Amino acid sequence: GEDVEQSLFLSVREGDSSVINCTYTDSSSTYLYWYKQEPGAGLQLLTYIFSNMDMKQDQRLTVLLNKKDKHLSLRIADTQTGDSAIYFCAESGANNLFFGTGTRLTVIP
Amino acid sequence: KAGVTQTPRYLIKTRGQQVTLSCSPISGHRSVSWYQQTPGQGLQFLFEYFSETQRNKGNFPGRFSGRQFSNSRSEMNVSTLELGDSALYLCASSLAGTEQFFGPGTRLTVL
Repeated sequence: GEDVEQSLFLSVREGDSSVINCTYTDSSSTYLYWYKQEPGAGLQLLTYIFSNMDMKQDQRLTVLLNKKDKHLSLRIADTQTGDSAIYFCAESGANNLFFGTGTRLTVIP
Repeated sequence: KAGVTQTPRYLIKTRGQQVTLSCSPISGHRSVSWYQQTPGQGLQFLFEYFSETQRNKGNFPGRFSGRQFSNSRSEMNVSTLELGDSALYLCASSLAGTEQFFGPGTRLTVL
């Protein structure tokens, strides 16, 4: 079955860039997603990338996709304390999403 | 445009009871998906409905069921609650399947 893996924790200093990594197994996934979850809240869709793209940029967010290695990354430029949250990558299935374990990003002031 | 709403936000039940959770999708969205989030298992897909039909189902026991109404609102039901059913239940709606927008979730505690 689908298996999406992420490292559990990441700490960065305010103003630095954060890079959150993800590996997935299903090469037939059409879309790959990044979601953000703050404490006590649902999931917020940050961005997504079509599987035939290598890169997508959206303001402070840059998504890189290496389809050969099945590796997805999310770069957050100029990380702020408000970016502290859990970040999930997900791959598309048949009308559903398969999520990674989530990476808890802590931004140190 | 209003987002996905879920009611209630919090529920406390005891083992053996049943529970019904409700989800109202974004206006115009016809697909509604349900996910369970627990610290141990993470985010797991329960089922997806489109135009009142279940299109896809995750690997959960038959105690978990759902339905969708003609106005696209969806409910999920869990019967004979177990302690392990304690979780955050998230609903997501989608227009064309590409982007899924999540509600705030219903936090279910089973005592």
